[in-house]
Amino acid sequence: GENVEQHPSTLSVQEGDSAVIKCTYSDSASNYFPWYKQELGKGPQLIIDIRSNVGEKKDQRIAVTLNKTAKHFSLHITETQPEDSAVYFCAATAPFLTSGTYKYIFGTGTRLKVLA
Amino acid sequence: GAVVSQHPSWVICKSGTSVKIECRSLDFQATTMFWYRQFPKQSLMLMATSNEGSKATYEQGVEKDKFLINHASLTLSTLTVTSAHPEDSSFYICSARRLGQLSSYEQYFGPGTRLTVT
Repeated sequence: GENVEQHPSTLSVQEGDSAVIKCTYSDSASNYFPWYKQELGKGPQLIIDIRSNVGEKKDQRIAVTLNKTAKHFSLHITETQPEDSAVYFCAATAPFLTSGTYKYIFGTGTRLKVLA
Repeated sequence: GAVVSQHPSWVICKSGTSVKIECRSLDFQATTMFWYRQFPKQSLMLMATSNEGSKATYEQGVEKDKFLINHASLTLSTLTVTSAHPEDSSFYICSARRLGQLSSYEQYFGPGTRLTVT
């Protein structure tokens, strides 16, 4: 089955610097890769996603890149701000073999701290 | 659009009792709802998947008789933790997949329910 690894587990950056979080997946059939931001005591919030037919996607200060050959994808946050401090999770889709629908396999999470 | 709510947001119950958590899609119909459990400083682990009107599909290692899931309508799924024990204390999060978006993989997440069993 699908397995998703995420690094680093913790990341501290100075305000204004960039942050990069990397994930690798094992199932070459995975075709959708969302990134979530989770603040303490809250549910995950989708911040950006990418499909397997796209190599890069950008939304203001956030970008995601995908390398299908190497089976890894990365989250890039530029000009970080203190409010970016949170836990970030990557995920990859894995098919339900019986129903044809998909489930998410989440990475282990990265705790990002932006220092003011 | 695509708002998912959970009720209650937090609950404390005594060991041996049962507790029910509701997950509602407020502005869309959900063909599938997912239930996750998240222990402190850990990732989200899928517990089960429910489709309206049919039995839930549980992930390996999740006791279906302990975690009862009912998906009675296209906007409501419930998770009942039966005979709760302190080790069931966790953050329970649901998500929903929108009906009709056959080519979409998106899941919309609820705000979570903090369960504490004393």
